[in-house]
Amino acid sequence: DADVTQTPRNRITKTGKRIMLECSQTKGHDRMYWYRQDPGLGLRLIYYSFDVKDINKGEISDGYSVSRQAQAKFSLSLESAIPNQTALYFCATSGVSNQPQHFGDGTRLSIL
Amino acid sequence: AQSVTQLDSHVSVSEGTPVLLRCNYSSSYSPSLFWYVQHPNKGLQLLLKYTSAATLVKGINGFEAEFKKSETSFHLTKPSAHMSDAAEYFCVVSDRGSGNTGKLIFGQGTTLQVKP
Repeated sequence: DADVTQTPRNRITKTGKRIMLECSQTKGHDRMYWYRQDPGLGLRLIYYSFDVKDINKGEISDGYSVSRQAQAKFSLSLESAIPNQTALYFCATSGVSNQPQHFGDGTRLSIL
Repeated sequence: AQSVTQLDSHVSVSEGTPVLLRCNYSSSYSPSLFWYVQHPNKGLQLLLKYTSAATLVKGINGFEAEFKKSETSFHLTKPSAHMSDAAEYFCVVSDRGSGNTGKLIFGQGTTLQVKP
C-alpha cells in the first residue's frame, strides 16, 4: 500500500462547484503539504500543516482552504472552482524540517 | 529568500551516453538541496539529497550530484542513460529562512528524453 494516498486520482467538474481532494498517510509524519503543478512552473505550495492545530498558507492559497482532520489526514477544498484551478495536485508529508518530503501520486483536476 | 533555477527545460540524450541536468540555487543560508524525479502519472520520487555532509551525493539508479558552493550549483549527473530514465526532474531547495518551515522551493523542471 502507498504511504501517501490521494483521492480521487482524477476529477472533472464544472465552474462554481465545490471540490474536496483528500490525502491520507501511514508514515506517521506530523507535517503535511498541498501543492499544485502546472506545466513549466514546477510545484507551488498551497497550504501546509505542522500538526492538527497548525495550518499555514503557502504562496498560492487564494481560492483554496484546507482541513487537518487528524495527524494522518489533510484535505484540500476548492470552495467555488474556476477553470484556472485546473492542475495536477500533490499531497506530501515529512517528519521534520529539511528532511525529504514524500509525495502521493497526485490528483488530476479539470474544471470546465 | 531561496530560489532554484534549472537551466534547461528539456535535455535529450542517447541511451548509454552521460546525463547532465543543471541546477543553480540562491540561498542566504546553508541550503538543503534535493533532486526529485517524476515519471508520467506518478508522484515525485526522491533521487538524492544534500544536507551539508559530503559535497558529492550519490542517489538511486546511478544518479549523483555535486554541491559546489562557489558556483551555487547542484548539477545532477549519470554516467550512462537508460531508457527508463526518461522523466521530468526537479531540483529543490528547502526553506531554511525565518521559522525554518521546511517548505520546498521547486525549480521549473527539466524533461529528460532518452533516445534509443
